Amino acid sequence: DTAVSQTPKYLVTQMGNDKSIKCEQNLGHDTMYWYKQDSKKFLKIMFSYNNKELIINETVPNRFSPKSPDKAHLNLHINSLELGDSAVYFCASSQDSLAGGYEQYFGPGTRLTVT
Amino acid sequence: GNSVTQMEGPVTLSEEAFLTINCTYTATGYPSLFWYVQYPGEGLQLLLKATKADDKGSNKGFEATYRKETTSFHLEKGSVQVSDSAVYFCALTQGAGNKLTFGGGTRVLVKP
Repeated sequence: DTAVSQTPKYLVTQMGNDKSIKCEQNLGHDTMYWYKQDSKKFLKIMFSYNNKELIINETVPNRFSPKSPDKAHLNLHINSLELGDSAVYFCASSQDSLAGGYEQYFGPGTRLTVT
Repeated sequence: GNSVTQMEGPVTLSEEAFLTINCTYTATGYPSLFWYVQYPGEGLQLLLKATKADDKGSNKGFEATYRKETTSFHLEKGSVQVSDSAVYFCALTQGAGNKLTFGGGTRVLVKP
């Protein structure tokens, strides 16, 4: 069983479109995250949710809207896609986030290409 | 804010060579430190971690020691294999939120 899964794995779309990426974890974790990895492999956090509540929002354009229908799912919706949104997006989860030190489990990534 | 700096790659080695990847961090207090590995086309996997000063994390022949005095967490492996070819990320978390702050990644290529 895949611990953290994301769909789709690849997403190619045109500028201006709206798209969503879905993430699910079956680890029973309370916290989920979205990270963006750019073409130079640099990784940066975008959002995190703990028990469906937003706890981290790292100065991400408001075209990006995360949604957590329950603590096992964290979806990422992107409006009006731009060329600069092309990247690999990783979902992750951890047991908790009240303090640092918790291991995060990552999904396989979604490679988004905006043309 | 917190930051992590690691040596730029790529690092190219022959099989059975010794590997060191340097990592230093900037943070107040005592962060938790991690090494993650990303194999080609895959997501990140935790390689090892250390949560307090002088702790040594180890896994799969890799080791790293949390050095508070030098704010470092260098990764070492005594004898690399071709299967160790990957991108290695040093990272830290600190405080509420458990946010991972990553270094820039180091690509390692091991040749037979």
